[in-house]
Amino acid sequence: KAGVTQTPRYLIKTRGQQVTLSCSPISGHRSVSWYQQTPGQGLQFLFEYFSETQRNKGNFPGRFSGRQFSNSRSEMNVSTLELGDSALYLCASSFVGTFQETQYFGPGTRLLVL
Amino acid sequence: KQEVTQIPAALSVPEGENLVLNCSFTDSAIYNLQWFRQDPGKGLTSLLLIQSSQREQTSGRLNASLDKSSGRSTLYIAASQPGDSATYLCAVYNNNDMRFGAGTRLTVKP
Repeated sequence: KAGVTQTPRYLIKTRGQQVTLSCSPISGHRSVSWYQQTPGQGLQFLFEYFSETQRNKGNFPGRFSGRQFSNSRSEMNVSTLELGDSALYLCASSFVGTFQETQYFGPGTRLLVL
Repeated sequence: KQEVTQIPAALSVPEGENLVLNCSFTDSAIYNLQWFRQDPGKGLTSLLLIQSSQREQTSGRLNASLDKSSGRSTLYIAASQPGDSATYLCAVYNNNDMRFGAGTRLTVKP
């Protein structure tokens, strides 16, 4: 059974640009959550999507958005990139929800904003 | 605002030793608490999830306990092995948000 995949694995952008990251969950999983990890702030929860609807949201500005498709694949978008958005972005999937059961994490996308 | 603290920040032990990692949180009205393991370059792995109504969860050599009233959780690792070397993070869920501690970096020396 394939694990959670994230593309791209590495990305370099400049300030002001926007970026879209993709996450394909484990087959059958309907919940996808996104996290940001930085040396300064640690690991932070961004949001969770379940059956194409955002179900939970962390404390991030509106520049961070996401969506989920009918096949449960999810994308995360960051607009007007700032230097502080440089981070490792992780996604995780589960059957019924991020906060109800064990999650399975992808390898992450490392974003560098110059 | 929920704050999660993990002590110690780093821990080094000889192989075979039993050890305890600590996690404390400021708001006891949590829905659940999870423990994760992060290996450099290998991503994050969920270890144990404890619902607010539970006191502990066990998986192999790992045992996690939860005391909501005191805002504390512990992760007990029995008979530690070099392969247990990693960063261990705890996270609590309440108010539709999830807050992580900064982690404890564990090194188990052969």
